[in-house]
Amino acid sequence: KQEVTQIPAALSVPEGENLVLNCSFTDSAIYNLQWFRQDPGKGLTSLLLIQSSQREQTSGRLNASLDKSSGRSTLYIAASQPGDSATYLCAVNDYKLSFGAGTTVTVRA
Amino acid sequence: DAGITQSPRYKITETGRQVTLMCHQTWSHSYMFWYRQDLGHGLRLIYYSAAADITDKGEVPDGYVVSRSKTENFPLTLESATRSQTSVYFCATTGLAGDGRETQYFGPGTRLLVL
Repeated sequence: KQEVTQIPAALSVPEGENLVLNCSFTDSAIYNLQWFRQDPGKGLTSLLLIQSSQREQTSGRLNASLDKSSGRSTLYIAASQPGDSATYLCAVNDYKLSFGAGTTVTVRA
Repeated sequence: DAGITQSPRYKITETGRQVTLMCHQTWSHSYMFWYRQDLGHGLRLIYYSAAADITDKGEVPDGYVVSRSKTENFPLTLESATRSQTSVYFCATTGLAGDGRETQYFGPGTRLLVL
């Protein structure tokens, strides 16, 4: 059974600081890994998807890396803004999605 | 509007009652999923469906029933609701994003409270 862990569970940073969110998984036989954003009381929005053959994926200020052999992915958010405050979820796709519990980010103005 | 809709968005029921949560997609995505989200557990897969009339259990299927007679609808039924089923329920589909990558699209969720 795939186990996905996200550390830290919560993070508070001043505006402008770079964010580093970690995700680890136990079974490296995956198709892809996806990062989602969830705002309070809302559904999930896909941010980045990394195929198992890729090492990283970038979109604007977001960059996600994947090291399948060590079972790790990292989401970097550059120059954080208050609008980045949300919960970030990592999900591993080994035919079905397995989610981590998320990292709740607060960016202080 | 295109996308996934869920109804109701909020539901309060009592222990022992039957409750059905509806999920509708305007695409024709083959795969559909039901998740529940609880504090400390993240999202957990309840059931999924690969196509109409094809369903399979996920991680936490006990106490739930699904059906999929049409591609666009995937209702989730709690046959006899229990307090432990108080949760936020999300429906999702798998489809291709603009860049050609397969991704999951989520509905807005249904908040269920079982008293």
